[in-house]
Amino acid sequence: QVTLRESGPALVKPTQTLTLTCTFSGFSLSTSAMCVSWIRQPPGKALEWLARIDWDDDKYYSTSLKTRLTISKDTSKNQVVLTMTNVDPVDTATYYCTRTAGVLFGDPLSGYYYYYMDVWGKGTTVTVSS
Amino acid sequence: DIQMTQSPSSLSASVGDRVTITCRASQSISNYLNWYQHKPGKAPKLLIYAASNLQSGVPSRFSGSGSGTDFTLTISSLQPEDFATYYCQQSYNTPPTFGPGTKVDIK
Repeated sequence: QVTLRESGPALVKPTQTLTLTCTFSGFSLSTSAMCVSWIRQPPGKALEWLARIDWDDDKYYSTSLKTRLTISKDTSKNQVVLTMTNVDPVDTATYYCTRTAGVLFGDPLSGYYYYYMDVWGKGTTVTVSS
Repeated sequence: DIQMTQSPSSLSASVGDRVTITCRASQSISNYLNWYQHKPGKAPKLLIYAASNLQSGVPSRFSGSGSGTDFTLTISSLQPEDFATYYCQQSYNTPPTFGPGTKVDIK
């Protein structure tokens, strides 16, 4: 059974750095086509994708937030860490981590991997306020 | 970034109704389109991937269709547990982007 759990501070002050940890089980980030992504949802707003780290340590970031985000993994601990610098009240949101899995369409020689976020954590709520 | 839009933004329906939600991409995304269901206080749930593939464990009353820029999520007979917000998301390129959501509530 695949599970993910987000952890981090519930309250941070503006300009501080937010560090969130995703602890997962049931899969390995050493396995080809396995990734972990972070998504957030501000109160009353839509889901927003933040970052992704792949089994081969490739990293991808939101266009608008890439200067403030860093994602990393500790494969031995089954953890992925997201840091966000210089937080602002607009960063108040529920933050989710998800397993992002690749499924092969077609044969191994000419096919392609399709990635989707198939298992989500329950989320952790972060409030940015002084 | 690819922009995703959804219509309607909300709808009211009754149990047993057929419900259709539309998603449009700002450029062609082939079939790189996923649908999620989100209930308040819960983790979002993957319903459909690659436009029309039903995720394991998802009831067959959910179906997806479309390709290119226009996609549809259909619930053939709405059940009480289906009242939620539904999001489409493109995975054609990075960053992946979500639509603004469609809230389905009880008429």
